[in-house]
Amino acid sequence: DAGITQSPRHKVTETGTPVTLRCHQTENHRYMYWYRQDPGHGLRLIHYSYGVKDTDKGEVSDGYSVSRSKTEDFLLTLESATSSQTSVYFCAIRLTGENTEAFFGQGTRLTVV
Amino acid sequence: LAKTTQPISMDSYEGQEVNITCSHNNIATNDYITWYQQFPSQGPRFIIQGYKTKVTNEVASLFIPADRKSSTLSLPRVSLSDTAVYYCLVGDRYNFNKFYFGSGTKLNVKP
Repeated sequence: DAGITQSPRHKVTETGTPVTLRCHQTENHRYMYWYRQDPGHGLRLIHYSYGVKDTDKGEVSDGYSVSRSKTEDFLLTLESATSSQTSVYFCAIRLTGENTEAFFGQGTRLTVV
Repeated sequence: LAKTTQPISMDSYEGQEVNITCSHNNIATNDYITWYQQFPSQGPRFIIQGYKTKVTNEVASLFIPADRKSSTLSLPRVSLSDTAVYYCLVGDRYNFNKFYFGSGTKLNVKP
């Protein structure tokens, strides 16, 4: 699992409240990603990071912000949660050597009521 | 980014060989083809990656014709535990910024 931990694993929150999801890795990988996955759909890229303080937008970044103040942590924040952000969120890292495969966390199931 | 097209779903029976084809007509010279597998309630897991011809590992084979406009993931003798969604990704192997998944193929293996 490349030492990836997501927290919390499950969360229920109310519309309009801020929510922060954490992705923690223990192996100093440079590239980290946040995806969301909705029922019956593939993964959609929200934001990614290519180093400390270096982040960029993905396909569906509206309503989300990220921060990476240290290599091991990549935080995803919903500034004001909406019901459309109810989803399963996955964090991933990618290797950067000869093998460039990605490893994913176990996911965070977020419900906005 | 090269757009990929996969069947939405496939059915198979235990013990059969399953071939899932991915179409990528606009594949670029530097693009590799990568397949991931996802079980329910889990993140995707890397299966195999290739550039041309044939690649084989302990779980699957990847066949890529000379024109590289399509590729086929082959799973030998599937079991019920191979029921999952399979994603085909096409992109520059060393472009870490563009890492997008499509909708995938839902493989249903029946007893």
